[in-house]
Amino acid sequence: DSGVTQTPKHLITATGQRVTLRCSPRSGDLSVYWYQQSLDQGLQFLIHYYNGEERAKGNILERFSAQQFPDLHSELNLSSLELGDSALYFCASSVEWGGGEETQYFGPGTRLLVL
Amino acid sequence: SQQGEEDPQALSIQEGENATMNCSYKTSINNLQWYRQNSGRGLVHLILIRSNEREKHSGRLRVTLDTSKKSSSLLITASRAADTASYFCATVKAAGNKLTFGGGTRVLVKP
Repeated sequence: DSGVTQTPKHLITATGQRVTLRCSPRSGDLSVYWYQQSLDQGLQFLIHYYNGEERAKGNILERFSAQQFPDLHSELNLSSLELGDSALYFCASSVEWGGGEETQYFGPGTRLLVL
Repeated sequence: SQQGEEDPQALSIQEGENATMNCSYKTSINNLQWYRQNSGRGLVHLILIRSNEREKHSGRLRVTLDTSKKSSSLLITASRAADTASYFCATVKAAGNKLTFGGGTRVLVKP
């Protein structure tokens, strides 16, 4: 158990809908990262928040948005869902940010299926 | 897009044998990390090797890094059935903590 929690574990929804994925980082971790894992694209970095502020963006679609709240939990919002958004969404956390040598601890993921 | 490729894509070995997998990447890096993923689960950090390091060991794991060839290898010695998983390399560039993953190697260790 990494200490990172993600809810829900599974989500089934229809095209055009909007969903929210939630992540609670390890106690004391200030950084939260979101990744998407799909058969087509593999594992891809989406976005990084540090202590409530966005720090880096990856291949995140405009239909997707995220935020990190004062209690450091994070939410990833996916809207106007398409079939191709079906994937495993991971959240990871680390103590701080910068230097690139910090271990990221991954949550168990949320499996999203868009029908 | 992915930083690099992993080779082989899949590997099947007997318990007790060694497993070697390779990772190639495209751009300069700050460090390279290896992760393990059991079927459909979260990733577990295994080892990090800095760009100025050539070899690193952790238990039954040995990682090498050749920055001139932009490649790394992960060796698992005396494999066990519990090592069955997918293994991913991930690179970190000079700035920030963004991990860029390779495609992964699926390893099956048969008892």
